[in-house]
Amino acid sequence: SYVLTQPPSVSVAPGQTARITCGGDNFGSNSVHWYQQKPGQAPVLVVFDDSDRAAGIPERFSGSNSGNTATLTISRVDAGDEADYYCQVWDVFGTGTRVTVL
Amino acid sequence: EVQLLESGGGLVQPGGSLRLSCAASGFTFTNYAMSWVRQAPGKGLEWVSNVSGSGGSTFYAASVKGRFTISRDNSKNTLSLQLNSLRAEDTALYFCAKKADLSDAFDIWGQGTMVIVSS
Repeated sequence: SYVLTQPPSVSVAPGQTARITCGGDNFGSNSVHWYQQKPGQAPVLVVFDDSDRAAGIPERFSGSNSGNTATLTISRVDAGDEADYYCQVWDVFGTGTRVTVL
Repeated sequence: EVQLLESGGGLVQPGGSLRLSCAASGFTFTNYAMSWVRQAPGKGLEWVSNVSGSGGSTFYAASVKGRFTISRDNSKNTLSLQLNSLRAEDTALYFCAKKADLSDAFDIWGQGTMVIVSS
């Protein structure tokens, strides 16, 4: 079955940039989507179709896709960005990355 | 306001059945494919099932195929998931999610309903 691999954790100081990768076997023509999930809450769509920000998402969040690796970048990180982040391609979710703000 | 509200979760014995519902509001329900996604305690997200806007096409994860049935009632703006032959590994928070327009992203999620399979 198709597997999307993410680093288990990313730590970043406030004001710095966090980069979360999502690796898979040649995404091909499929788009990559990203979700943020805070403890006890439902996931929230952050970026869709590789690089489009969802409604209400700050410009600090951006996405890119190189074909085998997609990246979610969070600029000027603040404490409110601390959460689990998941990538998705078609109906497969990534393994998830916990972002910790130091 | 666009909203999804799940219900129907609970404690059930292995081999038992449960029916989950999701009430949709704030958008033209029939225009959008809908899905169920689950999350086992402390684990990641797992897609479970999709249904097309008309209800005519359904898709299932291999882990639930033959045991779960997705359906929708467009006259009542309701999505359902019938869970049969439940196993301990089906224990999870089940989310109802709306497919985005012209994308396979999930743009709206409910808060989830918990299913616990245990004797």
